[in-house]
Amino acid sequence: GAVVSQHPSWVICKSGTSVKIECRSLDFQATTMFWYRQFPKQSLMLMATSNEGSKATYEQGVEKDKFLINHASLTLSTLTVTSAHPEDSSFYICSATLRGASYNEQFFGPGTRLTVL
Amino acid sequence: QKEVEQDPGPLSVPEGAIVSLNCTYSNSAFQYFMWYRQYSRKGPELLMYTYSSGNKEDGRFTAQVDKSSKYISLFIRDSQPSDSATYLCASTHGGNKLVFGAGTILRVKS
Repeated sequence: GAVVSQHPSWVICKSGTSVKIECRSLDFQATTMFWYRQFPKQSLMLMATSNEGSKATYEQGVEKDKFLINHASLTLSTLTVTSAHPEDSSFYICSATLRGASYNEQFFGPGTRLTVL
Repeated sequence: QKEVEQDPGPLSVPEGAIVSLNCTYSNSAFQYFMWYRQYSRKGPELLMYTYSSGNKEDGRFTAQVDKSSKYISLFIRDSQPSDSATYLCASTHGGNKLVFGAGTILRVKS
């Protein structure tokens, strides 16, 4: 149980276009979903936290108008990278916490590799 | 200073060796400590979590937390080539936000 999926697993786009990444909790309802980005050989950096039906909370330095997060239901959150540029190329990973879990264990998706040409 | 410090390695060991992975943290409010394993181009998977100081064992893995020195360790016994991955330590004060270390790349040679 506690499986999180992401779609697509990899995407290549042209500079200036927008890309949407989906994160789904497949077999549980997620209280909260998180979006991270990870550069090669670096750790995960939290971008934003989203709760179903609420606006996302962005970490300092993350542009909320560039990285749009929509948490439409307890099983789906989307991250849209608007007007993508090569510097946005990264590995984007989402995670979800299980509703009712005692210490908010996060279950991670497999990640989406974004390459902006 | 980063809240969680971790040597990125890489750490290379022969098969069967005991592996010791370590992190230090600076935030005294941290109460939960986790170790994640991440294979290349995959999301992290939770290996172990501990609450407060002490040891926790699960098969070949032992997690150790020393809150007095703000030191977190993961030991892997009888290491296997399949253990080759990046190991990330993470901490939280109990809220939602996890703070990750940089990750240590482990290579187990057969």
